[in-house]
Parts: sequence; C-alpha cells; structure tokens
Amino acid sequence: AQSVTQLDSHVSVSEGTPVLLRCNYSSSYSPSLFWYVQHPNKGLQLLLKYTSAATLVKGINGFEAEFKKSETSFHLTKPSAHMSDAAEYFCVVDPGTYKYIFGTGTRLKVLA
Amino acid sequence: GAVVSQHPSRVICKSGTSVKIECRSLDFQATTMFWYRQFPKKSLMLMATSNEGSKATYEQGVEKDKFLINHASLTLSTLTVTSAHPEDSSFYICSAGKGLAGGTDTQYFGPGTRLTVL
Repeated sequence: AQSVTQLDSHVSVSEGTPVLLRCNYSSSYSPSLFWYVQHPNKGLQLLLKYTSAATLVKGINGFEAEFKKSETSFHLTKPSAHMSDAAEYFCVVDPGTYKYIFGTGTRLKVLA
Repeated sequence: GAVVSQHPSRVICKSGTSVKIECRSLDFQATTMFWYRQFPKKSLMLMATSNEGSKATYEQGVEKDKFLINHASLTLSTLTVTSAHPEDSSFYICSAGKGLAGGTDTQYFGPGTRLTVL
C-alpha cells in the first residue's frame, strides 16, 4: 500500500536559520513526489516535484528537496527561513495513478 | 501559467438548501479535475475524480447523490452540495491537471471554498 508520513506535525525555526521538513513514503511503484504549501484559508501552491529525473529538486522561494530511494525519503529544506514561509506544508506522493496521497501536513512556524 | 480559480470563495447557506461551487482552469485545458475536502487542521481528503464528459468517480464513503459533480468542459467543473447540513460545513478545494486518471501529472489547486451551513 502507498502511504506518506510527515514525521513532524509542527516545526519552529528562527528567521534566518535553516528549515528541514521530513517526509517518508511507501510506494510499490516509482512514484512522483511533490511538496505543496498552504497558507491560511488558501489553496495549495506547488513548491517542487520529483519525477524520476535529478534526485535533488529545486523549487520556488529557495526550497529544495532530495529524493533518496534507499531511505524512501523526500525531505524539504531551505537554507534560511523567512517570516513569509510560515504555513502548512504537505508532502504528496502520486504512485502512478494520478491520485494524490497526502501526508498529514507540517505546520512551520518562523520566529522573529 | 496553470492557474485554477474557484467561485465562490466563501458561502453561507441554510440547512436543506443546495450550493454550487465552480472550479475553472484559466489558462490550460484540464483533462482531469479533482475535488477535495479539508477539515480544520487536517489533510486533504479526495472526494472524487472527474474527466471531461465522463461521470465522476467517487471515493469510498462519499455520497454521490449528495455531492454532484459535473465536468462539462475542459475548463469547468462544478460541485453541488445538495440538501446541505451543518456537517457538510468544510473547506472544499478543487484541482486540475492535464493528465488522465491512471497516469501521472501535476495537479494545480484552486484557492478553495469555505462552506458554512447554518
């Protein structure tokens, strides 16, 4: 069965420090993996996606994620957090069915 | 590119009435559209998948007679909540993609519609 686990429901960082949001997946097939961000009462915005090309994927707003097949992980990172990064982040897997499987989300808080 | 809009952004209705939510892909043709429901502080739950001109495929546990989905064109899908009750209050989000169910592609999400049933 396919699944996505976001290991932290809440992450707090100080502005200017690195961000690490963790995601592990389980998939029987070669999946496509995505990170989306949701600001309060808004829809989801695509940050980046992995589709079996380069394992290090660069996204918008300075975010990047590395696909590690041996660890079944797809962690999201950013070198320096901004206040505007405070939001809910979802790790998503598409196991090849075009039906997204969502993680439970990680709420990122950025402290001034 | 790949912008999806939803209308209305917020709706309040009385119990027993029906509410229609529109989802439009503004700058691309959406072969497949999805409807999700999101409860407070929770993840998204897929309700149904629709391909243009075909009947929607509903996920297990979703009442197809209560949540009517129409995908009449490649740029428009509608979700009608019939005989709404307070327990239907939620945040409804649509997404659209250029791929077909069974394949894989990026989904582009609308901004969501907050439904409150009194």
